[in-house]
Order: sequence, then structure tokens, then C-alpha cells
Amino acid sequence: GAGVSQSPSNKVTEKGKDVELRCDPISGHTALYWYRQSLGQGLEFLIYFQGNSAPDKSGLPSDRFSAERTGGSVSTLTIQRTQQEDSAVYLCASSFTGRGLKTQYFGPGTRLLVL
Amino acid sequence: DAKTTQPPSMDCAEGRAANLPCNHSTISGNEYVYWYRQIHSQGPQYIIHGLKNNETNEMASLIITEDRKSSTLILPHATLRDTAVYYCIVYNAGGTSYGKLTFGQGTILTVHP
Repeated sequence: GAGVSQSPSNKVTEKGKDVELRCDPISGHTALYWYRQSLGQGLEFLIYFQGNSAPDKSGLPSDRFSAERTGGSVSTLTIQRTQQEDSAVYLCASSFTGRGLKTQYFGPGTRLLVL
Repeated sequence: DAKTTQPPSMDCAEGRAANLPCNHSTISGNEYVYWYRQIHSQGPQYIIHGLKNNETNEMASLIITEDRKSSTLILPHATLRDTAVYYCIVYNAGGTSYGKLTFGQGTILTVHP
């Protein structure tokens, strides 16, 4: 079946511009996660969605970052007034919730470069 | 979540078995052992997970010691495409709370011809 998809795969933007990153989770997965991975670094948790609500936004690095999820499916991560330190790979993952195991499946990521 | 320790790098000849160790001595009873890998410029790929028993799927086998303090991921016939960073993590995937995954440095596995 279809896995997690993300778009765009690559994004180059100028400092100060806004960017939108999209994630399509696996069908039926109600949990959705955004992570960030900087060059040579590990995973940095950003935000977790359960359905359309975000019980945990604690990983968002600043108020320039926001995310939403509509219809319990697609999610958009928005970065306003991008800075060079925002350059990273932004990863989305989804998982089943409920009584089953919450194995997280990742998308291919969006590589963001802020010039 | 319990922390894990992995060797920073390993080499393996193509066609041979790759055995990747992981120590997780502080694992708690409800935490699962998960393995992911990340091939260069790709997103992390789920490989396998286990709780107490050994597990096998089409990609790999997972051997967990009886005391659950360590585990070994086995790729039975490594290919060049298995060259990647392999991450061992432990977390409570079956609980009511969600899991914020944290990857350590992982093991860089290089499969050579």
C-alpha cells in the first residue's frame, strides 16, 4: 500500500520567505508526527497530531513554526520568515493509534535550504 | 525512554550476514526494541521490532537476550543496498501515550563487494 508521502522533496528559499511543507500520512493512521533532522544530527521532534488536534507542540523551535492538520489526514508545516538555521530535512511520520502497536512509518522528507 | 548504545560503524562483505548489536540495559518492561535504518538522503525506514521473543520478517531477524538488556539485528545476506545508518531505539509503542522517537548516532553499516 501507499506509504507516507511528502512534498516538495526539495525546497530552496531565500531568507525571510515563508514556506509550506506537506505530509500525506498512511491511510487510516490517526497519529502524525513532524520531525527535523539537521545535517549529521539525530531526529528532533517538532509536533504530534492525534486526529486534527495537536496535543504536543513542545518541539516547535519558535513561533515562526506552525502546523495544522485537516480532515484527520493531510498536514502542513509552515515556517514563516525563514532563517538559515531552519535549513534541514523535515520528516513526517504516521502511526496507528488505539490498542495496536504505534509503529511510526516515515516519509522521504523535504530538504529545505534557506539561502 | 531507555537509552541505547551501538557501535559507531561496522563493515560487512556482500552476501554475508551482518550482525548489528545494541545495548539497552535500562529498558523497562513495557518498552519495545525497534530498529530503523536510514539510507543516504532518504527518510528512516522501519525494519523490525520485538518485545521479548526473537522476531523475523522479510528484511531481518531480531534476537533479544533473555534479560532484554541487549539485542542483535541480523541481515542474513547483506547487499550493497543495505549500506545505511542503523538505529536501535526502545520505547513504549504499546502504551496509551504517543512516542517521540529519538535516534542516537546509530551504526554506520558499510557493505562492500
